[in-house]
This record gives sequence, structure tokens and C-alpha cells, in this order.
Amino acid sequence: QVRLQESGPGLVKPSETLSLTCAVSGVSIRSNVWWIWVRQSPGKGLEWVGQIYPTGTTSYNPSLESRVTISMDKSKNHFSLSLTSVTAADTAMYYCARIDDCGGDCYFVDYWGRGTLVTVSS
Amino acid sequence: IILTQSPDTVSLSPGERATLSCRASQSVSSNYLAWYQQKAGQIPRVLIYGASTRATGIPDRFSGSGSGTDFTLTISRLEPEDSAVYYCQQYVNSRGSFGGGTKVEIK
Repeated sequence: QVRLQESGPGLVKPSETLSLTCAVSGVSIRSNVWWIWVRQSPGKGLEWVGQIYPTGTTSYNPSLESRVTISMDKSKNHFSLSLTSVTAADTAMYYCARIDDCGGDCYFVDYWGRGTLVTVSS
Repeated sequence: IILTQSPDTVSLSPGERATLSCRASQSVSSNYLAWYQQKAGQIPRVLIYGASTRATGIPDRFSGSGSGTDFTLTISRLEPEDSAVYYCQQYVNSRGSFGGGTKVEIK
């Protein structure tokens, strides 16, 4: 059974860095799939943040690209999100997730973490 | 790519048909268009991928269609448990995005 579990501080001060980790169990993150982060501001819609492939290849939402970094630690079977210079607009539920790409012919989230709420406030 | 979903909210009775629209600002390959359902307080779940393929365990009252810039999710014979927000999602040039969502209310 594939499981993803987000962890990290629930409260971050403005201008500081938000750091989250997604622990993956039931499957190796070395498998040839994309691992992604999605966020959802309170009462709002879903926002694709970015993704990482086991080769280390990443891609990011253009609106966040200057502040976001996604990395992977294969030895710990987890991947991480770092978002710098946060403001109240970054307050959201942050989900980590796995992509099923049908061997390259599709792209959708097949497994989600439960999400972790991060509030940006002094 | 910007995905615009309409309507924002639809309110229908059980047994009726819901037609949800997702319009892309640029052409999206049908392979890379998916639909999700998110019920209140829950994580999203995929309904449709590849524009028209139902995900495992999804009832056949959910169907997807469309191509290019216009895609549709149809829920025939609405049931009370279909009350949720529905999102479309695309993936082009190694970047994804979601639409703003359509809320389906069951009267």
C-alpha cells in the first residue's frame, strides 16, 4: 500500500522559509514516476506547486519558481519542499502526491498525502 | 496554461445531469487532462484521466469528453454523494495546473 505523509512546522513567520518533508512508504521513490507538491489555500482551489523525478529533474509553477525548491533523499525514501520568503498568501494545506503517467501517456495524481496545514503569521 | 472552469456552482436535484466545463488557454493533449472530485474535508480523488478514461472504481455515471481547449465532465443521474467540488487538471511542457473548480450542490 502506497502511503505519503507530510511533516513540518505548522506555523512559519513572514519572510522565513517554509520546509516540508513527504515520507513515502510502500514504494521506492526511485521508481520512475513524478513526485509532486500541491497546495490549497483555505476555501480555495488546488494549486500545482512543482515536481521531482528520481533523476533529480524538477519543474515548478512559474508563479513560485523564484522561491521554491523540491529535493529528494533516496536513502530516506522521502522528498522535500522549500519555499522561501513566505507571506500570508502562502498559508495553505500542502499535499504531497504521486503521479501516474501511464508510462508517459497520461498524468494524474493517484496517491495523495493527507496534507499538512501551514500558516504564515508572526 | 490557464484552466477556466464553469459554472462556479451548479445546484441540481438527484437524478439530474450535471455538465461541467473546463476551458484551456492553450491546446492540451487529451492524454494530459484529468478530473478530480474533492468532498468537503477530504483529499481529492481522480475521476477521469486521459480526458475520458474512468479511474479504477469510478461509477459509469461519470464521463469525460473533449479535446484541444474544451473539455467536459458529465455526471449523469446525480446522487446525493456527488456533492463536491470538481477540478480539471492539465499537464503541458512539464508543468501542471488546476482549474478553479466547480461546486456541485445537490438540492
